[in-house]
Amino acid sequence: NAGVTQTPKFQVLKTGQSMTLQCAQDMNHNSMYWYRQDPGMGLRLIYYSASEGTTDKGEVPNGYNVSRLNKREFSLRLESAAPSQTSVYFCASSEIRYSLTNYGYTFGSGTRLTVV
Amino acid sequence: AQKVTQAQTEISVVEKEDVTLDCVYETRDTTYYLFWYKQPPSGELVFLIRRNSFDEQNEISGRYSWNFQKSTSSFNFTITASQVVDSAVYFCALSEVHPYTGANSKLTFGKGITLSVRP
Repeated sequence: NAGVTQTPKFQVLKTGQSMTLQCAQDMNHNSMYWYRQDPGMGLRLIYYSASEGTTDKGEVPNGYNVSRLNKREFSLRLESAAPSQTSVYFCASSEIRYSLTNYGYTFGSGTRLTVV
Repeated sequence: AQKVTQAQTEISVVEKEDVTLDCVYETRDTTYYLFWYKQPPSGELVFLIRRNSFDEQNEISGRYSWNFQKSTSSFNFTITASQVVDSAVYFCALSEVHPYTGANSKLTFGKGITLSVRP
């Protein structure tokens, strides 16, 4: 089925370890996003990529890096994980063409990351 | 900067009661989209509605209805005759719109409202 695929779904890291969260979409969307969700905080934007080859910081970028590998893939890297990065991470993509019927954003199912 | 405020954090109702979830937003843009998402206990984000800033018509979809008022910068969501399956976290969100392409840009979310519907 068309959509946004995130891997892994669950991960436990030790403080200081590094890892990359993978995200891929097959809808030919230009824009992709990484959000984190913490209890009582809603979803906060970490980084986004308006189009292939561009990336920009969101609200909470510290401690993260991203790579827009191609139009389909947008990865999020934690270079040295910290307990404060324990969260649920969502990847999303959006449609660039204006559409009355397409609501525009598709979210992945999330990655639950625990840093101990 | 854009901001979405969901002042209610937790609401508990008995099944069949009506419940309204409030959403107030701030933006300097004249063109924007407003959204509501549902996040059930399973964790995925479920799209409920998108509203364009130029369309202030209220919308009804089954037991769900939305009231958009630009004058008060509010986009409230009402569930009529609530059911246990409505128990979830509900997010209101706001997105910028590219002035030329009409494309969505980054979404700004409220902190969410946890709705519990008791049998």
